[in-house]
Amino acid sequence: QKEVEQNSGPLSVPEGAIASLNCTYSDRGSQSFFWYRQYSGKSPELIMFIYSNGDKEDGRFTAQLNKASQYVSLLIRDSQPSDSATYLCAVYGNQGGKLIFGQGTELSVKP
Amino acid sequence: DAGVTQSPTHLIKTRGQQVTLRCSPISGHKSVSWYQQVLGQGPQFIFQYYEKEERGRGNFPDRFSARQFPNYSSELNVNALLLGDSALYLCASSLAMQGKGYTFGSGTRLTVV
Repeated sequence: QKEVEQNSGPLSVPEGAIASLNCTYSDRGSQSFFWYRQYSGKSPELIMFIYSNGDKEDGRFTAQLNKASQYVSLLIRDSQPSDSATYLCAVYGNQGGKLIFGQGTELSVKP
Repeated sequence: DAGVTQSPTHLIKTRGQQVTLRCSPISGHKSVSWYQQVLGQGPQFIFQYYEKEERGRGNFPDRFSARQFPNYSSELNVNALLLGDSALYLCASSLAMQGKGYTFGSGTRLTVV
């Protein structure tokens, strides 16, 4: 079992729809969770950080964390073509600041 | 403020050669981490340095080494290059060892031929 798992996609949604991205993790002791956005040919950009159970909202983005079920999700409301990118889920591993990434979910927002 | 800067941006090397990649963190950031990202995969952790000491090492062979300098900049060295070392090498910085996420540099694209 991979430590962090994501569906690779691609996930295709129409413009204006809600995009839902999911991630599961294997280490029940994980505390901090991150969503990064990566445009093709670019480096990852941090968009959300969550460590408490429940929802965290930032603009059109909502991160949801459920530690009992060991999943974290990212909702993007009113999706725009500019949201088309690969979304990476990451958690801290057992070595200091080591981040463990999932393989990423490719999102395509169609006009 | 300048972000995380990496050099060079692109590099082509021959199998068996050695390469040095450089990273300057955001001013004030004391933690520098290195990640390798191959096409279609998420970044894989290579090293973390904090306050000039190695604080973590990923599952990479001894051909990979790194160091952090007194000004907190860092170098990643890879010896005896293999074709499989072709990847995007990312440097990430943060204030602390385990903070609220890292800021990544734009990366160095290494191609081994």
